[in-house]
Amino acid sequence: EAEVAQSPRYKITEKSQAVAFWCDPISGHATLYWYRQILGQGPELLVQFQDESVVDDSQLPKDRFSAERLKGVDSTLKIQPAELGDSAMYLCASSLGQLNTEAFFGQGTRLTVV
Amino acid sequence: DAKTTQPPSMDCAEGRAANLPCNHSTISGNEYVYWYRQIHSQGPQYIIHGLKNNETNEMASLIITEDRKSSTLILPHATLRDTAVYYCIVRGTGGGNKLTFGTGTQLKVEL
Repeated sequence: EAEVAQSPRYKITEKSQAVAFWCDPISGHATLYWYRQILGQGPELLVQFQDESVVDDSQLPKDRFSAERLKGVDSTLKIQPAELGDSAMYLCASSLGQLNTEAFFGQGTRLTVV
Repeated sequence: DAKTTQPPSMDCAEGRAANLPCNHSTISGNEYVYWYRQIHSQGPQYIIHGLKNNETNEMASLIITEDRKSSTLILPHATLRDTAVYYCIVRGTGGGNKLTFGTGTQLKVEL
């Protein structure tokens, strides 16, 4: 069964350092989402791509976060510099894009900033 | 997208049906009701979705009221592995079909 692949699974970084996460969506899925989930809360959308274009990045802290999906396939989310408050689970999801089709999530990257 | 209201927690005995309610009184006519669950430290897992009619798949059943202002997710024979946070989400065309999560219901299935 096709899956959304994310790496790394766990990441520990010092504050002020740069960190990057990678996501490979299910083949053929035009829509890709990055979510952040703080412990005890539901996932919060950071950025949404349709192919290589950003559809929604209204909740992305653009002073330190960036996301790209250069060829409309895999995607990278970067944080520079990392802050203690960035410690969270970062989830990637993909879907065919239609309203009536489900989104599939990866296992996430657990980031700890020390 | 319409907001949803769910109880923060529920308990269920193993083997019994788990009925998880969701209120979405401001839902619009073209918005779907989606259910996901998240087992500890894993990514959310899709369960089921519907627009107006009741839906059933191998995991669960979704009952949507006629006025569409509320719905119930039914796990017919809950097992310990169904212990998870269950999210009810209303998904519409506003904002590019994004999924907006609330805080969900923590379901605990016990022996």
